Amino acid sequence: KQEVTQIPAALSVPEGENLVLNCSFTDSAIYNLQWFRQDPGKGLTSLLLIQSSQREQTSGRLNASLDKSSGRSTLYIAASQPGDSATYLCAASSNDYKLSFGAGTTVTVRA
Amino acid sequence: DVKVTQSSRYLVKRTGEKVFLECVQDMDHENMFWYRQDPGLGLRLIYFSYDVKMKEKGDIPEGYSVSREKKERFSLILESASTNQTSMYLCASSPWTYNEQFFGPGTRLTVL
Repeated sequence: KQEVTQIPAALSVPEGENLVLNCSFTDSAIYNLQWFRQDPGKGLTSLLLIQSSQREQTSGRLNASLDKSSGRSTLYIAASQPGDSATYLCAASSNDYKLSFGAGTTVTVRA
Repeated sequence: DVKVTQSSRYLVKRTGEKVFLECVQDMDHENMFWYRQDPGLGLRLIYFSYDVKMKEKGDIPEGYSVSREKKERFSLILESASTNQTSMYLCASSPWTYNEQFFGPGTRLTVL
């Protein structure tokens, strides 16, 4: 069974600092890995999807890397802003459609 | 942009009531999913559907059923609501070719 871990559970940084969010998974036979953002009381917003054949994906200030051999993905957010404050979840996909979610990292960006 | 909508943002029901949660997607996706999210337990898959009238149990199907009569609509049914079904319910959809899931805004259900 796929286990996904996100450490730390919470992170607080001053505005302008780069954010590094970690995600580890136990089974390297993943189909893809997806990063989401969740604001309090809201649904999940898809940020980036990395296919198993890819090493990284970029969208604006966001960059996500994938290292299947070590079972790790990292989400980088450059020049953080207070609007980046949210919970970030990663999820690993297996071939049977299911996503295995991490518990999330709650980010606070201080103005 | 993919749009997944859910019928209610907030819902309050009584114990024993039959509850319907509706989800609609507008991107012609084959796959649809129902999750619940609880503090400390994260997101857990209740049911998913990979085609019209097709469904598969997820990790916690007990006390729930689903219906998918049309491709764009996936309903979650609580046959007899109980207080331990108070939760945030999230619907998602994804295309057949790759499992990038898109989520709706969620329904916060309270069972009294």
